[in-house]
Amino acid sequence: DAGITQSPRHKVTETGTPVTLRCHQTENHRYMYWYRQDPGHGLRLIHYSYGVKDTDKGEVSDGYSVSRSKTEDFLLTLESATSSQTSVYFCAISERDSSYEQYFGPGTRLTVT
Amino acid sequence: SQQGEEDPQALSIQEGENATMNCSYKTSINNLQWYRQNSGRGLVHLILIRSNEREKHSGRLRVTLDTSKKSSSLLITASRAADTASYFCATDRYSGAGSYQLTFGKGTKLSVIP
Repeated sequence: DAGITQSPRHKVTETGTPVTLRCHQTENHRYMYWYRQDPGHGLRLIHYSYGVKDTDKGEVSDGYSVSRSKTEDFLLTLESATSSQTSVYFCAISERDSSYEQYFGPGTRLTVT
Repeated sequence: SQQGEEDPQALSIQEGENATMNCSYKTSINNLQWYRQNSGRGLVHLILIRSNEREKHSGRLRVTLDTSKKSSSLLITASRAADTASYFCATDRYSGAGSYQLTFGKGTKLSVIP
């Protein structure tokens, strides 16, 4: 998985609780992304980062925030989890911008009850 | 919004046969990419074809791009059971301020029967 780890790999949480997912890379790539994958929707971009402290919104950013204080770490936070955020979350990295190939982590399966 | 749409949604073939998947998209692109996803795993990049290219090969993979029809196809020749996976096309979409976002289709689920 190209030097990308995600933690936790599985999480069950209750509605209304905060949740933070972590993506860690050892490739020193500039760009990092958070996607969610749901049946019938494919992959949808939540947020992305183009450098330390530089982030921007994706297609489905409502209810999510991100932070990147170091090149290697990109955090995704659900401030108050809802059942609609039950999904599989993937982190990805790329050396150049979004037009180029991306390398994906193994995913985090999040269930909000 | 979905930029790329794969067709068919599911495909089942015998080992040794060729598999063809198609992708259609709506707006102009710089690149189109194909990814594979094995069950329960992350996506793996297969091939990138630029808008000024018409065909590209990588091992048993052949990708074509027709920008006039806004469509691409992925051909896997001499399929193997290990090719069983979901295949996604992804296109870049201009999102403003000089940046692009990669948007994925919903995928084609390929089953190769031994």
